[in-house]
Amino acid sequence: GENVEQHPSTLSVQEGDSAVIKCTYSDSASNYFPWYKQELGKGPQLIIDIRSNVGEKKDQRIAVTLNKTAKHFSLHITETQPEDSAVYFCAPQLRVSSGSARQLTFGSGTQLTVLP
Amino acid sequence: DAGITQSPRHKVTETGTPVTLRCHQTENHRYMYWYRQDPGHGLRLIHYSYGVKDTDKGEVSDGYSVSRSKTEDFLLTLESATSSQTSVYFCAITEQGSYNEQFFGPGTRLTVL
Repeated sequence: GENVEQHPSTLSVQEGDSAVIKCTYSDSASNYFPWYKQELGKGPQLIIDIRSNVGEKKDQRIAVTLNKTAKHFSLHITETQPEDSAVYFCAPQLRVSSGSARQLTFGSGTQLTVLP
Repeated sequence: DAGITQSPRHKVTETGTPVTLRCHQTENHRYMYWYRQDPGHGLRLIHYSYGVKDTDKGEVSDGYSVSRSKTEDFLLTLESATSSQTSVYFCAITEQGSYNEQFFGPGTRLTVL
């Protein structure tokens, strides 16, 4: 959505290298920041999320960092493997119109390719 | 995988015809969502439901209606399909609303000729 910007749109890395994807959002009152992974022909699946009371969260090779002042959060994947190749979406919880309940608003996606 | 099924999985129809997509869950989750996915747009929320007979509009609701008469079923209807509604449609469920993980179905690929 226009209230979410995700960069880059495509990213190629060598196996073993790190990958970083950044997401910028507009709603300063947002409190929930998930990342989803979508493999070809499947629905998205949550891989990690962070809430606004913490700045960083790590789960094995995946980490998410949050900068609420700058209104952006990033996905970090270390020691990338070919099975990490997929499309990744940020989906901050935003209020998309006045009076509406906050809902997940997906970025446009990043196609990550891990080259063997 | 979470117990979510979508039917049909693929459909080709003609402009002006009505189409209904079904999402069925076996998890007894309260919240259900319909998204559409188009190249360059990620997933966009069409409608969502926060209980039986309780629904609300999302970002791109024009041309779509929904109904939820049972906890386990959430129907998306295109009253008169247009070519701009050609897309992949995903259903999602969550137990406690948008602060929590959403589980997605396998998707329905709809082509409107």
